[in-house]
Amino acid sequence: EPEVTQTPSHQVTQMGQEVILRCVPISNHLYFYWYRQILGQKVEFLVSFYNNEISEKSEIFDDQFSVERPDGSNFTLKIRSTKLEDSAMYFCASSAQGETEAFFGQGTRLTVV
Amino acid sequence: KQEVTQIPAALSVPEGENLVLNCSFTDSAIYNLQWFRQDPGKGLTSLLLIQSSQREQTSGRLNASLDKSSGRSTLYIAASQPGDSATYLCAGGSQGNLIFGKGTKLSVKP
Repeated sequence: EPEVTQTPSHQVTQMGQEVILRCVPISNHLYFYWYRQILGQKVEFLVSFYNNEISEKSEIFDDQFSVERPDGSNFTLKIRSTKLEDSAMYFCASSAQGETEAFFGQGTRLTVV
Repeated sequence: KQEVTQIPAALSVPEGENLVLNCSFTDSAIYNLQWFRQDPGKGLTSLLLIQSSQREQTSGRLNASLDKSSGRSTLYIAASQPGDSATYLCAGGSQGNLIFGKGTKLSVKP
């Protein structure tokens, strides 16, 4: 069964460092998303991406964040200068269309020290 | 702004019991309602999706309903099993993204 895959599963980084979280969405899907979940809190929307551009973004997704689809399969989230409060589980998701079922990856646990 | 609330926050039941998880949302202009399961430290597994034009969806022992007029969705789990123990999240699709509730942590005791 097709699935969304994320790498790495866990990343530890020092405050101020840049990190890139990687995702391979389901191959025939057109819409891609990043969400995050701080420990003990709700899953929060960060950004959606369609047709090689950002279609929606939340207030969380500030200038420190960027997304890219560098090739036909990968979808990445970059945090330029990590802060302690960026520590969270980051989930990638994809859907065939904008209003259809969203499928989530297993997440990358980012720990900023 | 869409808000999603789930009640109860935690639920413990004996094996075999039928149960209902509740989800409410403030903005009826959602385009779908999706239920997920989350195991500790793991990702989100999609259980059921209800489009805004539908009233319910069924998958095995799970049945989800949607009432947009009252801003409510329920997830019914029949004949619960210990393997059903997890956190159940509902999410309303609104303006191109999903708004999540905080979840109901379900524990099914053998």
